[in-house]
Amino acid sequence: GAVVSQHPSRVICKSGTSVKIECRSLDFQATTMFWYRQFPKQSLMLMATSNEGSKATYEQGVEKDKFLINHASLTLSTLTVTSAHPEDSSFYICSAGGRRNTEAFFGQGTRLTVV
Amino acid sequence: GDSVTQMEGPVTLSEEAFLTINCTYTATGYPSLFWYVQYPGEGLQLLLKATKADDKGSNKGFEATYRKETTSFHLEKGSVQVSDSAVYFCALRLNTGGFKTIFGAGTRLFVKA
Repeated sequence: GAVVSQHPSRVICKSGTSVKIECRSLDFQATTMFWYRQFPKQSLMLMATSNEGSKATYEQGVEKDKFLINHASLTLSTLTVTSAHPEDSSFYICSAGGRRNTEAFFGQGTRLTVV
Repeated sequence: GDSVTQMEGPVTLSEEAFLTINCTYTATGYPSLFWYVQYPGEGLQLLLKATKADDKGSNKGFEATYRKETTSFHLEKGSVQVSDSAVYFCALRLNTGGFKTIFGAGTRLFVKA
């Protein structure tokens, strides 16, 4: 299957700082990327959907000013957690799909810890 | 709305036992169905999928059959191993364009030696 690389895999940051997470499709062009958040022992919650070159569509209850999503190219989407707080600590996972794909492929996930 | 319901865990089995994890779905139209596996500290990996009714997805000894009449996609394995310990997610994707995937709550499986 296609490969989606997410970076970093783990990050620890201080409260009040911003953190950027990258999601790259390595061998295909990702027309659509999704960002999920997973709390401990819970399922994945869709945060937002982004299509290349357009603004992301956020799910209800997700603060768009706090979770900035950029999908400027067909191989890269970024999620920036701004002014992070300890309650933002979570596992963030991206997935990507392209025109020739019949499914979305998932990155390895990023564990964010805000101290 | 569209949703996926799977059995609550954790499920604890001895090695070589038979595994069933139930999954049912509610969807408009005809979704594709998936099982994903998440090992500790890792992201999701696609385990198997089925795109239409009566299709059987299989991989690594795991199987699931798309049952339209019962709106189910139960995961089975005849003989589990310790290395199968993980969280299993049932998911659906509507075939109306795009790749938005709706996940079940996940079922944690522990396999004892």
